[in-house]
Amino acid sequence: SQKIEQNSEALNIQEGKTATLTCNYTNYSPAYLQWYRQDPGRGPVFLLLIRENEKEKRKERLKVTFDTTLKQSLFHITASQPADSATYLCALDPFRGGGADGLTFGKGTHLIIQP
Amino acid sequence: AAGVIQSPRHLIKEKRETATLKCYPIPRHDTVYWYQQGPGQDPQFLISFYEKMQSDKGSIPDRFSAQQFSDYHSELNMSSLELGDSALYFCASSLGTSGGAGEQFFGPGTRLTVL
Repeated sequence: SQKIEQNSEALNIQEGKTATLTCNYTNYSPAYLQWYRQDPGRGPVFLLLIRENEKEKRKERLKVTFDTTLKQSLFHITASQPADSATYLCALDPFRGGGADGLTFGKGTHLIIQP
Repeated sequence: AAGVIQSPRHLIKEKRETATLKCYPIPRHDTVYWYQQGPGQDPQFLISFYEKMQSDKGSIPDRFSAQQFSDYHSELNMSSLELGDSALYFCASSLGTSGGAGEQFFGPGTRLTVL
């Protein structure tokens, strides 16, 4: 069966360090992968999308890599700040072919940046 | 900038009652998605619409139905409510299908509590 795995345990990082989150998937062949941030009780907020032909993508302090051979994406936050504390969700489009395909999310990683 | 609007924000119902959740997408967005998120869970895709037609279907119970209207707003109708339906319900919108290869903008959610 299709599966997306993220470390759902809390990840504690000291302020100023780089936080690295992992997303592994099985039985998918996604053309792209997305990362979202979610704060408690609020809707997910889109951060980055990376396509299968892109190895790396950056946006300000964020960097995403995509290794389709390893079936893995890494999400990095450099110079982390306490305001970066949130749950980060990896999402794939399972390509059911309907067009507006719903995303399949991983369970998310709860990131805590400690001052 | 205008965001996705959901109403009501909070809803309390008794078992076996019905509920209707409304979603107003970002202006000019023609695609709407519905997700259900239980406590401590990742968002689960329910159903999507593109240009008022159902586009993709996820784990939506038969007791639920949805539609998208001519002004692109969408409604999720839930009947014979069960305790397990208590969750946050998110609506997301996007512009065009693009095979799903685009960011989805999530609303603030409707918190449904079934007693």
